[in-house]
Amino acid sequence: AQSVAQPEDQVNVAEGNPLTVKCTYSVSGNPYLFWYVQYPNRGLQFLLKYITGDNLVKGSYGFEAEFNKSQTSFHLKKPSALVSDSALYFCAVRSSHSGGYNKLIFGAGTRLAVHP
Amino acid sequence: DTGVSQDPRHKITKRGQNVTFRCDPISEHNRLYWYRQTLGQGPEFLTYFQNEAQLEKSRLLSDRFSAERPKGSFSTLEIQRTEQGDSAMYLCASSLVSGEGNQPQHFGDGTRLSIL
Repeated sequence: AQSVAQPEDQVNVAEGNPLTVKCTYSVSGNPYLFWYVQYPNRGLQFLLKYITGDNLVKGSYGFEAEFNKSQTSFHLKKPSALVSDSALYFCAVRSSHSGGYNKLIFGAGTRLAVHP
Repeated sequence: DTGVSQDPRHKITKRGQNVTFRCDPISEHNRLYWYRQTLGQGPEFLTYFQNEAQLEKSRLLSDRFSAERPKGSFSTLEIQRTEQGDSAMYLCASSLVSGEGNQPQHFGDGTRLSIL
């Protein structure tokens, strides 16, 4: 069965410091991995994806994520956090297998709080 | 704004009533998805369409739930005889089929359903 774990309910970081939001996954076949951000009373905004190729992928708003196959992880990172990055972050996975596996499986989310 | 549009944004109704939500996807997107998100959780997959065909349904989609996409454009999600447990945010997403289907899903702002 496919699953995503985001081990931290909340991450606190000071503005200007680097941030990491953790994600591990379990999927049959090769994983397609995604990060989304959600602001209050809004839908999810796509940040970045890993499909294949370089393990370090860059996305919107200065975010990047590192795919680690041996550790089945896909941690989200940013070198210098902004107060405006404070939001709820979701990691999601889908299998590369065809035949109907088009749904995304989401983690429970990690709330990022960036303090001035 | 050419993103995914959902209507209404909020719906308050009494237990036992029927409700219908509408989703207008990004115009060139041929895949459309419905998810449900409860407080403190990530979105859970309900169903998805490719053009007008409903290709996958989650076990979460009880017989009180029905979704349609009659002309392969907008979609509706109907809940009959609503129950307290139906209170949630209902999210719609759309994507474009490309290669192995690894294009990201783009989400609307959701319909928040509250059952009194």
